[in-house]
Amino acid sequence: QSALTQPASVSGSPGQSITISCTGTSSDVGGYNFVSWYQQHPGKAPKLMIFDVTNRPSGVPHRFSGSKSGNTASLTISGLQAEDEADYFCSSYTNSRTWVFGGGTKLTVL
Amino acid sequence: QVQLQESGPGLVKPSETLSLTCTVSGGSITSYYWSWIRQPPGKGLEWVGYIDYSGSTNYNPSFKTRVTISVDTSKNQFSLKLSSVTAADTAVYYCAGGYNLDYWGQGTLVTVSS
Repeated sequence: QSALTQPASVSGSPGQSITISCTGTSSDVGGYNFVSWYQQHPGKAPKLMIFDVTNRPSGVPHRFSGSKSGNTASLTISGLQAEDEADYFCSSYTNSRTWVFGGGTKLTVL
Repeated sequence: QVQLQESGPGLVKPSETLSLTCTVSGGSITSYYWSWIRQPPGKGLEWVGYIDYSGSTNYNPSFKTRVTISVDTSKNQFSLKLSSVTAADTAVYYCAGGYNLDYWGQGTLVTVSS
């Protein structure tokens, strides 16, 4: 299975909004509403931020939101804060009953 | 609050079998899905496979002939075995649980080297 495609890096200033894309195929992202996003700070385990495309687990700030159009899912962070600087990974369920991750995006808060 | 903790050798010799165990606390292993994910140093996440509450498994095709995930409900643990390892299997191995990989262990670095 091929990894989902994410930009290697994105950046934004505090208070701004950024969007990270995650592109797959009709066999994964486009075929199921089972896309998740994870935040990973250096040396730490990933943390679930969005599940089922648009849902936030309890405790995740409302400025994190998810969406999907066709084979591309997106994570938007509004009102960027310094603590948001981290790596972000998307994942999707696939038609092989497996999961696949994106390559990851490094977010820099300028 | 579900918590997970990986345990196992940090060093494995090439061609041998990597064995890790994940202990689940604060929840029953008879609920949810339980996965292994790995992350080579400086690289992205790679899903290895999962076992569900019924004991059914599914694996990343890249590992299919080398990987086995099993569960011990009496100990609230699940395990990973990866055979015939090479240096390319050096990574931080995470166990995770939940329907959406909601809960993660802290990860354990396994180095493959003679």
